[in-house]
Amino acid sequence: EVQLVESGGGSVQPGGSLRLSCAASGFTFSDHWMHWVRLVPGKGPVWVSRINIDGSTTDYADSVKGRFTISRDNAKNTLFLQMNSLRAEDTAVYYCARGGMRYCSGTSCYWGDYWGQGTLVTVSS
Amino acid sequence: EIVLTQSPGTLSLSPGERATLSCMASQSVSRMYLAWFQQKRGQAPRLLIYGASSRATGIPDRFSGSGSGTDFTLTISRLEPEDFAVYYCQQYDKSPLTFGGGTKVEIK
Repeated sequence: EVQLVESGGGSVQPGGSLRLSCAASGFTFSDHWMHWVRLVPGKGPVWVSRINIDGSTTDYADSVKGRFTISRDNAKNTLFLQMNSLRAEDTAVYYCARGGMRYCSGTSCYWGDYWGQGTLVTVSS
Repeated sequence: EIVLTQSPGTLSLSPGERATLSCMASQSVSRMYLAWFQQKRGQAPRLLIYGASSRATGIPDRFSGSGSGTDFTLTISRLEPEDFAVYYCQQYDKSPLTFGGGTKVEIK
C-alpha cells in the first residue's frame, strides 16, 4: 500500500524556518518525481515545488523561490522541504504528493495519484 | 504563468443529475497535461482525471473529461451523494504548475 506521511509542521514566527519531511513507503520512491502542494482552508490548492528522481532538477512557485528548497534522500525514501524566511502568507497545510514515474512519457506522466495527510504550518507573531 | 478559470463557481444540483464543469486556460495547454482533482473539506485532493480524459485508478466511469487547447470540461453523468465537493482543474504542461479557482458542486 502506498503511503506518504508528512511531519515537521508547527508554529513559527515570521522570518523563521521549518523543515518538512515526507516519508514514503509502498512504492519505489527513487522511480518517481515528488511534489509539495499547500492548501489554505477555504482556498484552492497551490503547487509549491517538485523534484526529479535523483534530485538534480527542481522547480518552484514564484512565491517561494529563493526561500524554500526541495530535496530528497532516496536511500531513506524521504522527501524534504526546507522553508526559510517564512511569511504569514505561507500559513497552510502542506502536502507531499507522488509525481510521474521514471521513463514515463506523455499522458502517462501524471502526478497527484497519492497524497499524504498533510502537516500544518502556521506563521504568526 | 498559465491561469485557469473555472465556471461556474458553484453548481447547485440534485443527486442523479448531470454536472458539467468548465475550465478555460489563459494559453493553450497540451491535453496530455491537464488534470481534474476533487477535494472534500479537511482532505487532500483526489486525482480524478489526467491527460484531459483518462480516469485515474479506481475512479468510477460516471466521471469523464474532455477538451483541448484552452477549453476543458469535466462531466459527472449522474451525481451520487459522495460527489458533492469542490473540483479543481490543474495544468502540468508548463511551470509553474497551476490550479483553477474551483467549482463547488452543492446539493440543491
